[in-house]
Amino acid sequence: EPEVTQTPSHQVTQMGQEVILRCVPISNHLYFYWYRQILGQKVEFLVSFYNNEISEKSEIFDDQFSVERPDGSNFTLKIRSTKLEDSAMYFCASSEPTSVKTQYFGPGTRLLVL
Amino acid sequence: AQSVTQPDIHITVSEGASLELRCNYSYGATPYLFWYVQSPGQGLQLLLKYFSGDTLVQGIKGFEAEFKRSQSSFNLRKPSVHWSDAAEYFCAVGALSNTGKLIFGQGTTLQVKP
Repeated sequence: EPEVTQTPSHQVTQMGQEVILRCVPISNHLYFYWYRQILGQKVEFLVSFYNNEISEKSEIFDDQFSVERPDGSNFTLKIRSTKLEDSAMYFCASSEPTSVKTQYFGPGTRLLVL
Repeated sequence: AQSVTQPDIHITVSEGASLELRCNYSYGATPYLFWYVQSPGQGLQLLLKYFSGDTLVQGIKGFEAEFKRSQSSFNLRKPSVHWSDAAEYFCAVGALSNTGKLIFGQGTTLQVKP
């Protein structure tokens, strides 16, 4: 069964450093998403991406964040200058181009900012 | 504003007992509703979804959920819980913007007693 994959599974970085989280969505999906889950809190939407552009973003997704689909398979989330409060589990998801955008999630990348 | 409420933070049931996890939503139209499960250290797995038609939907692992418009609820049920069902369960609603954004509830942690 096709699945969303994410790398790395864990990343530790110093405050102020740039990180890139990588995702390989399911191959025939055209909508891509990033969510985050701070420890003990609910899953929060960050951004949705379709047709090579952002279709919606949350207040969390400020200028420090960017997304890119550099080739036909990868979808990345970049945090330019990490802050302590960026420590969270980051989930990538993808969905088919149907009216009901059922999302399938990857296993997540746990980011720890020191 | 759209929101999802899961009133129970923790639930403990005995193995073999029935289970009902509550979910209430606030939405301005017919919602797309989802239940996801997150096992420790794992990503989010889709259990089931509702978008139209029969208000009782069947999912994987023996779960079902019933959409009740009059109560703005989408409760998850299972007739007989197994120890492997211990996990965190999230209810989510698809946002009105229809970009695929999901709004999640706070989650319910299920503990299963032997």
